[in-house]
Formats: sequence, structure tokens, C-alpha cells
Amino acid sequence: AQSVTQLDSQVPVFEEAPVELRCNYSSSVSVYLFWYVQYPNQGLQLLLKYLSGSTLVKGINGFEAEFNKSQTSFHLRKPSVHISDTAEYFCAVSRGSYIPTFGRGTSLIVHP
Amino acid sequence: DGGITQSPKYLFRKEGQNVTLSCEQNLNHDAMYWYRQDPGQGLRLIYYSQIVNDFQKGDIAEGYSVSREKKESFPLTVTSAQKNPTAFYLCASSIGTSGDTQYFGPGTRLTVL
Repeated sequence: AQSVTQLDSQVPVFEEAPVELRCNYSSSVSVYLFWYVQYPNQGLQLLLKYLSGSTLVKGINGFEAEFNKSQTSFHLRKPSVHISDTAEYFCAVSRGSYIPTFGRGTSLIVHP
Repeated sequence: DGGITQSPKYLFRKEGQNVTLSCEQNLNHDAMYWYRQDPGQGLRLIYYSQIVNDFQKGDIAEGYSVSREKKESFPLTVTSAQKNPTAFYLCASSIGTSGDTQYFGPGTRLTVL
């Protein structure tokens, strides 16, 4: 079985501050890991994904994530956030040919 | 432009009526999915299809039905048996299922009165 936990339901931060959104997964085998972003009343779009190779993955809009196998984590980071980064962020995990499982989401709220 | 379309964006129905949500993709993807999104619950898988004329139940299939007669189309019917159908419904597609990016439509917000 695979599952994913997003530890924070809401993360408030001031503009230009750094942010980290946390994601932990449970799986005893190799996994694929994803971060998606959802702006209000829209569908999701891919920020970045880890399939194999380098554990530091860079995505769109200045986001990056680090795959940590020993801690079964895939935290998302951005060194300086903008008002436009306000959105819902979803972590997802899949293994083999299994359908991805999504976390409950983290609402990033950027204050001016 | 390639992508996924869902229609309508907003849908209102009376309790007890069946309603069908449309999902079309022109990405030539084999796999398609339906998710339900409720506040604080993330995305929950309703049904998915990996190939034409075949589909599988997801975690919350009760009260829903689907068909996959064409590669580009995957309509979802919300039946009167679904106890709490008011939600935001998202359709997605991917090339396959193994590590492939899912591409999402803009969603349909269904409100049952």
C-alpha cells in the first residue's frame, strides 16, 4: 500500500520569505513522487516530479524538492515566495504501475 | 492546443436526478481518471481507465458510473445513489500510469439542491 501525508494543512508566510511544504510517504519499495499546484477553482498542474537519479529536483516557478529515502520525505521549497504563489499544493506518490495517491493538500497563503 | 476540457464548469441539479459530467482530451493519452475534491480531503479517486472499453473502480466509486467508448472521452455519471454528490469534480489523463504526469481539466463544480 502507498500513502502520503502532508503535515501542514495551511502555511502562512510573508512575501519574499522562504517556504517549505512538507510531504512524507509510506512505501517499502521504489516510488515516484510528484508535487502539483492548484489555483482557486482550477485544475492541478505539475510543479515537479522525482522518478530516479538526482535527489534534488527543480520545477517551475522557482520551486524545488528533495527526495530523502531514509526519511521517506519529499519536501517542497522556495527561497522567496511571491503573492502569486498563493495556492493549494498537493503531494502525490505512486509505485510501479499503481495509480498515484494524493495527500490532503497544503494551502500556501502569502501575505504582503 | 492540446489539453483536457470539462463541461460545464458549474452544474446544478435537483436531488434524485442523475447527471453526467463531460471530459474530453486531445492529448492522445491512454489513461484517464476522475477525482472528487472536497475541502480538506484532497483528491479521492472515483474511477480510472487505462485503455478504451476498460475501467476500474477507485476508492469512492459507489454512486458513480463511467464509460470509455472512445480514447478521448471519459464521461462520469453521478447517480441518485450517491449520497452526498455536491463537490468539485476533476478529470485527468496521462500517457500511462507508471510515473507519468497527470494533466488535469479545469473541473466541474456540481451542486445538488
